[in-house]
Amino acid sequence: ETGVTQTPRHLVMGMTNKKSLKCEQHLGHNAMYWYKQSAKKPLELMFVYSLEERVENNSVPSRFSPECPNSSHLFLHLHTLQPEDSALYLCASSPDLAGANTGELFFGEGSRLTVL
Amino acid sequence: AQSVAQPEDQVNVAEGNPLTVKCTYSVSGNPYLFWYVQYPNRGLQFLLKYITGDNLVKGSYGFEAEFNKSQTSFHLKKPSALVSDSALYFCAVIGSYNQGGKLIFGQGTELSVKP
Repeated sequence: ETGVTQTPRHLVMGMTNKKSLKCEQHLGHNAMYWYKQSAKKPLELMFVYSLEERVENNSVPSRFSPECPNSSHLFLHLHTLQPEDSALYLCASSPDLAGANTGELFFGEGSRLTVL
Repeated sequence: AQSVAQPEDQVNVAEGNPLTVKCTYSVSGNPYLFWYVQYPNRGLQFLLKYITGDNLVKGSYGFEAEFNKSQTSFHLKKPSALVSDSALYFCAVIGSYNQGGKLIFGQGTELSVKP
């Protein structure tokens, strides 16, 4: 148990659907992250939030829309996705942004997304 | 730009033999280097890190890594592999000039340890 919980663990959606991924951390951290994991590719940093403010948007298509209503919750809203968006989406948290420098990144188990 | 390269998609080792998983990096400023491990159907778990000091760092489960500045490498090692070490291993880096939380990962190396 890492203290970072992601739901749902598996999601299948059509290209016209709208769905959301949820991440919740119980560690009292102030920074949260979304990563995309595709087979045999580097883990791709998508978004970084610090104290509920987005500090990084790594050229991610607008069909991915993050939301951070408070420091414990992070959402990734999905709409009109493409089959190539199928991947494992990982949420992580750290005490603060500097925590990324010291390796204090705690990951959830991921949400496996399949786009048909 | 920061980047990490893990040149091997897969490493196969017999149980009891030493293992090495390779990583090279490119950053601005001094590197902060990390290894994470991912077991099947799980998230990534922190294994060890190099921030400063001794070039040989020790981490969880008997793993260690050696920082080599001239070769810009941070290879992961273990003297005697276990079947339970089989997993996906990620190298990651962030530069001292980057305080924005942008920890950059490699593509992962799948380690398979056979009995």
